[in-house]
Amino acid sequence: ETGVTQSPTHLIKTRGQQVTLRCSSQSGHNTVSWYQQALGQGPQFIFQYYREEENGRGNFPPRFSGLQFPNYSSELNVNALELDDSALYLCASSLVADTQYFGPGTRLTVL
Amino acid sequence: EDKVVQSPLSLVVHEGDTVTLNCSYEVTNFRSLLWYKQEKKAPTFLFMLTSSGIEKKSGRLSSILDKKELFSILNITATQTGDSAVYLCAVEPLRGSTLGRLYFGRGTQLTVWP
Repeated sequence: ETGVTQSPTHLIKTRGQQVTLRCSSQSGHNTVSWYQQALGQGPQFIFQYYREEENGRGNFPPRFSGLQFPNYSSELNVNALELDDSALYLCASSLVADTQYFGPGTRLTVL
Repeated sequence: EDKVVQSPLSLVVHEGDTVTLNCSYEVTNFRSLLWYKQEKKAPTFLFMLTSSGIEKKSGRLSSILDKKELFSILNITATQTGDSAVYLCAVEPLRGSTLGRLYFGRGTQLTVWP
């Protein structure tokens, strides 16, 4: 157990809807990174938050957005859902530039 | 785009066998290479390698990095059914804007039969 929690565990949405995924980081960690893992693929970096500021972004469109709160928990928001957004969404917490520890993920299905 | 390639993509062995998983990468300047084990959802951290030629060991698992040839291997000896999982290799480039960003390979699906 890493101490990183995510909610919800599973989620089913339809195309065009919006979704919010949540992540609580491990105690003492100030950095949260989000990854998207499609079936059969490795995780792809979406973005990272450090002390409530975005600290790097991968090749994802602006409809993927995030927040980090003062307690270092984080949210990932996805607007205008598309079928290809169906994936496992993982968050990882760490101290900045240190080993990342992953949560159990949220499985998102877009119909 | 930085690239991490793992091989084989899948492997089936019997309990007691020894396996070697490979990871090659095209990132020439990087901070660390990491191995994770993913059983159902959460990748769990196994090793972080930063220096070439130094083996890291944890029980039956060991890993080594060759920075000159740009690859790493993960060895598992005396495999058990509980080792069945996807093993992910990730590289963290050493460039200011990408520090903290991990680039993953597709993983190796290891299945250990009793």
